Amino acid sequence: GAVVSQHPSWVICKSGTSVKIECRSLDFQATTMFWYRQFPKQSLMLMATSNEGSKATYEQGVEKDKFLINHASLTLSTLTVTSAHPEDSSFYICSAYSGTINEKLFFGSGTQLSVL
Amino acid sequence: AQSVTQPDIHITVSEGASLELRCNYSYGATPYLFWYVQSPGQGLQLLLKYFSGDTLVQGIKGFEAEFKRSQSSFNLRKPSVHWSDAAEYFCAVGAPSGTYKYIFGTGTRLKVLA
Repeated sequence: GAVVSQHPSWVICKSGTSVKIECRSLDFQATTMFWYRQFPKQSLMLMATSNEGSKATYEQGVEKDKFLINHASLTLSTLTVTSAHPEDSSFYICSAYSGTINEKLFFGSGTQLSVL
Repeated sequence: AQSVTQPDIHITVSEGASLELRCNYSYGATPYLFWYVQSPGQGLQLLLKYFSGDTLVQGIKGFEAEFKRSQSSFNLRKPSVHWSDAAEYFCAVGAPSGTYKYIFGTGTRLKVLA
């Protein structure tokens, strides 16, 4: 089946620094990728839709200047948490859409971000 | 407003017992329906999906779900639970047009007693 690789699996950073999370579709091309945030024991909240070669579309309430998304190729999208603060600590998950595979949407394994 | 409700936050069953996880949705039209499973610290794995046709769908790991239009429900079932089924289960809905902006329920955490 299609594989989405998300890296790193976990990251600890100091407050004020920036962190980049990568989401790669390993064996298919993903014109669209999605970024979610998940708080402990809660559901996934869609943060933004990332389209290859164009600007990301952010959901209401998500700061686009804090959560920078780049989808430079058909297999890679990155989420950069800029000037991270403790309240940004969360589990971030990406998913990639394949128009040619029946299941359509494939999820990465997630990144646990802890901001000290 | 579009929403997905999973009424049970936690469910505990004994190994070998049957399982039913509830999911109700509110949507303008019949959406695409999904069940995902998430192990701790992991991403989501698709168990099964309903797009159209037969309202009883079979998935992986012995799971099945039944779409009931009149009740706006898509409950997940398994006749005999295994200890390895302990995880978080999410119901999700997506637009029939296939935009793939899913709406997720709040999840049900399943605990399996040996």
